[in-house]
Amino acid sequence: AQSVSQHNHHVILSEAASLELGCNYSYGGTVNLFWYVQYPGQHLQLLLKYFSGDPLVKGIKGFEAEFIKSKFSFNLRKPSVQWSDTAEYFCAVINTDKLIFGTGTRLQVFP
Amino acid sequence: DAMVIQNPRYQVTQFGKPVTLSCSQTLNHNVMYWYQQKSSQAPKLLFHYYDKDFNNEADTPDNFQSRRPNTSFCFLDIRSPGLGDAAMYLCATSREGLAGGEQFFGPGTRLTVL
Repeated sequence: AQSVSQHNHHVILSEAASLELGCNYSYGGTVNLFWYVQYPGQHLQLLLKYFSGDPLVKGIKGFEAEFIKSKFSFNLRKPSVQWSDTAEYFCAVINTDKLIFGTGTRLQVFP
Repeated sequence: DAMVIQNPRYQVTQFGKPVTLSCSQTLNHNVMYWYQQKSSQAPKLLFHYYDKDFNNEADTPDNFQSRRPNTSFCFLDIRSPGLGDAAMYLCATSREGLAGGEQFFGPGTRLTVL
């Protein structure tokens, strides 16, 4: 069965710092990968997704993620975080139309 | 705007008193999902519908049931809520065959069990 690992459970940064959140998945075949964000008190929103093509995917709000097949990774990056990026971030993989979520990373950004 | 709507946003019930949460969608998606999300945890899939075909996750308690009377609506019934069922319940939709399988989430219903 597919699984998703997010090793950073809680990340604390100052504004303007660079961000990289790790995501590893277990399946070796064709994968569709997602990053979702959940701002405090709000619903899950799609940040970006990868299903084919350019392994460097650009998302909303300046986020990007790189699919590295050899490392089974899909890390999320942002060069300069803002206070408004404080949220919970979930990596997910599709398995026959079911989303398998990682455990999430709580990001806190301080001004 | 096309969207996923959940009602109510907050639900308080008593231990053992049945409760129904509702979800509606204007996206005309044929797949609908119910997730349970406890504090600081990942959403956990309870079940999903492909059109009218119901798919239950193996570890979903019998206490949780669902109905989908038509494409637009889906209900989550908790027959006898326990304290451990207090959580955020998320509804999501997707269109079968849509490349990438993106799911669209509603705002959730926060259930409190007294």
